[in-house]
Amino acid sequence: GAGVSQSPSNKVTEKGKDVELRCDPISGHTALYWYRQSLGQGLEFLIYFQGNSAPDKSGLPSDRFSAERTGGSVSTLTIQRTQQEDSAVYLCASSLERAPYNEQFFGPGTRLTVL
Amino acid sequence: AQSVTQLDSQVPVFEEAPVELRCNYSSSVSVYLFWYVQYPNQGLQLLLKYLSGSTLVKGINGFEAEFNKSQTSFHLRKPSVHISDTAEYFCAPDTDKLIFGTGTRLQVFP
Repeated sequence: GAGVSQSPSNKVTEKGKDVELRCDPISGHTALYWYRQSLGQGLEFLIYFQGNSAPDKSGLPSDRFSAERTGGSVSTLTIQRTQQEDSAVYLCASSLERAPYNEQFFGPGTRLTVL
Repeated sequence: AQSVTQLDSQVPVFEEAPVELRCNYSSSVSVYLFWYVQYPNQGLQLLLKYLSGSTLVKGINGFEAEFNKSQTSFHLRKPSVHISDTAEYFCAPDTDKLIFGTGTRLQVFP
């Protein structure tokens, strides 16, 4: 079946604007993860969903960041009042259940550029 | 908390040469370890994983890794690399989220 999809693939926004990033996980995957990949800084965990609940939000860098998941499927990551340091590639992944027992499948990412 | 260190940010190597990408982890509990690969302009994909059992794990594209508990290492190896192996490689230990290493960029030259 289809893999994890993310939209948009690229987003350019002005500082101070809000943005929404979308992730469509693989059908049937109950766990969903958001990561951020910044230039020269590797991958950073943001938040994890099991079903519609988020037991671990510890990675969200500030209260400007929020995420939700509805119907145990699609997830939206929202960044309010974007700052230039938010520029990065935002990656979404899903797995059958909680890792580590299950491989995480990654989407292609959304490249966010804040001017 | 668990953490991982990838000792080399870049590894240049000629085609058909062997390569080792180093990864050391810190943990006080049992570990599960993963290597992911990110080819240019593509998403991350699982290369191999260690959950239990044999300490030598074989993955896709001829890669293998050895779990060494005494040295807390999970180094990735390939005996003969190809141009197409040029990519970013990430080591990640366990839990319900992946704490990725900073990545090692493998550059294979002809």
